[in-house]
This record gives sequence, structure tokens and C-alpha cells, in this order.
Amino acid sequence: ILNVEQSPQSLHVQEGDSTNFTCSFPSSNFYALHWYRWETAKSPEALFVMTLNGDEKKKGRISATLNTKEGYSYLYIKGSQPEDSATYLCASLNQAGTALIFGKGTTLSVSS
Amino acid sequence: NAGVTQTPKFQVLKTGQSMTLQCAQDMNHNSMYWYRQDPGMGLRLIYYSASEGTTDKGEVPNGYNVSRLNKREFSLRLESAAPSQTSVYFCASSRQGARTEAFFGQGTRLTVV
Repeated sequence: ILNVEQSPQSLHVQEGDSTNFTCSFPSSNFYALHWYRWETAKSPEALFVMTLNGDEKKKGRISATLNTKEGYSYLYIKGSQPEDSATYLCASLNQAGTALIFGKGTTLSVSS
Repeated sequence: NAGVTQTPKFQVLKTGQSMTLQCAQDMNHNSMYWYRQDPGMGLRLIYYSASEGTTDKGEVPNGYNVSRLNKREFSLRLESAAPSQTSVYFCASSRQGARTEAFFGQGTRLTVV
């Protein structure tokens, strides 16, 4: 079973701070890397799906990069707002490329 | 615009009882998944169905069975519930396997006493 690691486990920042999280995954048999945002009492929602080494994706103040050769992805949030408070999950595909295996997530708390 | 619908939303079972969690999607997706969420553990894959007619074990399949009834529906069955199966269960689906984004249901909170 694939091992997807995320760090830090939790993070507390002030409004306006920029922050980033790390997701590491095995670089062999890579298919795709997903990022999801999961707000309390809701369901996870997709932010990005990245497949190519060097991919960079952006949605508003949130962006992500992918390095498949070394097996890591970064998620960046610029100018954090209280509404960014959530758990951010990354997921990679199992060895067969047929199912998503999730990391344990990074929980972000933004204070105003 | 239903997306992925799970039933029930809440359930309390006694140890040893059985039940089936239902999941249906209306997006014509090929792949469907069942995950469980426990504190500090993120989402762990129980079973998945990459396409209609196929099912495969995930990370934590013991104590569960699944049925891909048709392209829309994917059910999860607990034959003899145990307290360790107390969890929040999420069903998800994706269009073309796990290389496309997954859409999640609202979750089923199951308590086994």
C-alpha cells in the first residue's frame, strides 16, 4: 500500500500570513497527485489534480507545485484568511493506478 | 444537482448487527470508492470499484463487503458490526478512475455500541 505523508500535521497562522504545506509520496509508478480542501462538517472538495513533473496550478490565493522525480508536492496559501481554515489533504494513486490513497492531512487554523 | 448521495446520514448499531450503507452518484462516473475517517487518521480506503462489474480491496477491507450494483450504485455492508467500525464513512466517485478528481458524499456517521 502506498505511503503518502503530509507535514506539518497542524498549523496556526495569523490572518495575512502566507503559508505552505508538504506532501511526499513514492516517486516510482507515479500517476497523479491530488489536493483536497476539507472544511469541518463538510465533505472534501478537490483543489488540484496534477500529473506532470513541474506542474504548477493556481486557484485564487492557493497554488500547488509538483516534483515527481523526488516525490513531493507543495501547497501554498498567500495572505491566509479565516475562511481558509480547513484540513488540506493530498492523495496519490495506488500502484495499480486505480484508487486514491490519502495522507493524514494538514489542519490549518487562521486567526483574525 | 445531487452528485453523490449517501444514506443513511447517521446510524447506531449494536455489536453483531449488520447493515448496508448505500451510495449513489448521478454523474455517470466509472469509479466509486468507500473511505472511513477516524480522528488523526485522515481518509482510509476500504474498497473501491474502478469500473462497473469490478471491486477491489483497499487499505482496510477487513469486516466489510461491497457490491457495485450498477454504474450508479456502490454499497458497503457490515456483516457483524464491531465497536472498531465506529467511524464516519464517505463514498466518492470519479469520472475516469483515480486520475480525475473525486467527488464525495456527505458522509455517514456510524456508531457501534
